[in-house]
Amino acid sequence: SQKIEQNSEALNIQEGKTATLTCNYTNYSPAYLQWYRQDPGRGPVFLLLIRENEKEKRKERLKVTFDTTLKQSLFHITASQPADSATYLCALEGNTPLVFGKGTRLSVIA
Amino acid sequence: DTGVSQNPRHKITKRGQNVTFRCDPISEHNRLYWYRQTLGQGPEFLTYFQNEAQLEKSRLLSDRFSAERPKGSFSTLEIQRTEQGDSAMYLCASSTGTGREYFGPGTRLTVT
Repeated sequence: SQKIEQNSEALNIQEGKTATLTCNYTNYSPAYLQWYRQDPGRGPVFLLLIRENEKEKRKERLKVTFDTTLKQSLFHITASQPADSATYLCALEGNTPLVFGKGTRLSVIA
Repeated sequence: DTGVSQNPRHKITKRGQNVTFRCDPISEHNRLYWYRQTLGQGPEFLTYFQNEAQLEKSRLLSDRFSAERPKGSFSTLEIQRTEQGDSAMYLCASSTGTGREYFGPGTRLTVT
């Protein structure tokens, strides 16, 4: 069956460091992979989309990589700030609507 | 505000009652999605509409759940004979097609 795993439930890092979040999937061939941010009690907010034929995409302090051979995406936040503290969700899209991982709760400590 | 809106934001109901939620998508978006999210989990797909046509329903959507999107505008999600296991955040999202989805703030349902 299709499975999406985000490497950890929670990740704590020091302000100014780079946060790296991992999304692995099995039994799936997504056309797109997306990353969303979700704050407590609110709906997810879109951050980045990367297509299967793209290796890397950047937006300001965010970088996403997509390796369809490893079936893995890495999400990086450089120069992290306490305001980056949130849950980050990866989501896959192929022939079906979005399938989300459980998310990783990131805490950036000042 | 031109984002996705959902009403009510919170709903407390007793087991066995019926509840209905409303979602108003971004006006030019032809796709509308419903998801359910429980604590510590990612959103789980329930159903989606392309204009007024309901194109796909998840196996999670039991026969107590029904969704409509009359005239391809707003959508309603009704849960009949609510159970405690229905307690969750119900999220609505809209889009112009595949790719980025715009989520509403959600409706938090508590079944007592």
